Amino acid sequence: IAGITQAPTSQILAAGRRMTLRCTQDMRHNAMYWYRQDLGLGLRLIHYSNTAGTTGKGEVPDGYSVSRANTDDFPLTLASAVPSQTSVYFCASSERRIDSSTGELFFGEGSRLTVL
Amino acid sequence: GQNIDQPTEMTATEGAIVQINCTYQTSGFNGLFWYQQHAGEAPTFLSYNVLDGLEEKGRFSSFLSRSKGYSYLLLKELQMKDSASYLCAFMDSNYQLIWGAGTKLIIKP
Repeated sequence: IAGITQAPTSQILAAGRRMTLRCTQDMRHNAMYWYRQDLGLGLRLIHYSNTAGTTGKGEVPDGYSVSRANTDDFPLTLASAVPSQTSVYFCASSERRIDSSTGELFFGEGSRLTVL
Repeated sequence: GQNIDQPTEMTATEGAIVQINCTYQTSGFNGLFWYQQHAGEAPTFLSYNVLDGLEEKGRFSSFLSRSKGYSYLLLKELQMKDSASYLCAFMDSNYQLIWGAGTKLIIKP
């Protein structure tokens, strides 16, 4: 089934550790995004990539980094995890960059990260 | 500044109609979106409105009034599977999506 695959589904991490959340899509979408979702708040954009080889900062980029070496993969790295990064992380993609499309995003199933 | 607001929780009865409201404030606007998110799952796209008026898609309809900064999602003939959170989001002048916190809809038999 075509779509977005995220890994791991869930992870408990000690503060200060490095962690990479993986995201792979097989829809050949150009644009990809990382969001975090916290209780009582709307989805917040961390980083995005409009096309392979380019990335940009979203609303809450501090403490996170991304890379987009190819069309399919968009990993999110926490260099040194802190408890405030405890959240559910969603990877998403869109066929074209958001300003030239209907805005339909396709989301992965999420990665639940707990930082102790 | 920018903000978006929707009720935290609503309850409705199976078979009935429910309207979920969303209000927003922004200096630049490029469309309004509704997504559905079942508990523990990914959000899925429901609708996109860029012009004023009502867009109907089966049991779901979405309305937009740009002058009032207002949208609603109308769900008819409610089914138990409609129990979910409904996320409202607008696209601002920088083409960033600004998301509401979501409305949790509880359907009772």
